[in-house]
Amino acid sequence: AQKVTQAQTEISVVEKEDVTLDCVYETRDTTYYLFWYKQPPSGELVFLIRRNSFDEQNEISGRYSWNFQKSTSSFNFTITASQVVDSAVYFCALSEASGNTPLVFGKGTRLSVIA
Amino acid sequence: NAGVTQTPKFQVLKTGQSMTLQCAQDMNHEYMSWYRQDPGMGLRLIHYSVGAGITDQGEVPNGYNVSRSTTEDFPLRLLSAAPSQTSVYFCASSDAGTDTGELFFGEGSRLTVL
Repeated sequence: AQKVTQAQTEISVVEKEDVTLDCVYETRDTTYYLFWYKQPPSGELVFLIRRNSFDEQNEISGRYSWNFQKSTSSFNFTITASQVVDSAVYFCALSEASGNTPLVFGKGTRLSVIA
Repeated sequence: NAGVTQTPKFQVLKTGQSMTLQCAQDMNHEYMSWYRQDPGMGLRLIHYSVGAGITDQGEVPNGYNVSRSTTEDFPLRLLSAAPSQTSVYFCASSDAGTDTGELFFGEGSRLTVL
């Protein structure tokens, strides 16, 4: 069965620090998709990225970057030069096969960025 | 652009009462799902549907019913509410045919069962 583990429950950093949120997953499928979502204090869920299992290239989007390593079953998320607006709960998620299968979420990491 | 619309946003029930959380999407997505979010538990899947007339159970289906008579609507029914069902509920939809396979979420429905 698929499983996503976000071992860091809460992280607190000072503004402008870099921070990495860890995500480790388990799946028996060779084809799967990994996601990151952000949930700001307002409560909505915001899609950040999807990565398929055949694409191990790292992704960078502005201050956000993602490191996908199949060898360690990890899909870590780094925020460079963090800002107060980055304060949120971040969820890593996994879906198997077609991508139209249910997403399984980790328990989330609450990030607090202090000014 | 409506996206995924959930109603109501807030609801207080007494134990044993029934209610339906409504979810509608206007993106013609085949896939829809319901999650509940509890502190420290992340989002847990209740039920999902891959198309009209097709539903399946997720991780925590007990106490909830769903139906999918149209592509647009996916209501979640609580037949006899219990305090353990106090939670924030999210409906989501996606189109697996897109490049991102992004799951679009509604704004959430906060349910309190007394």
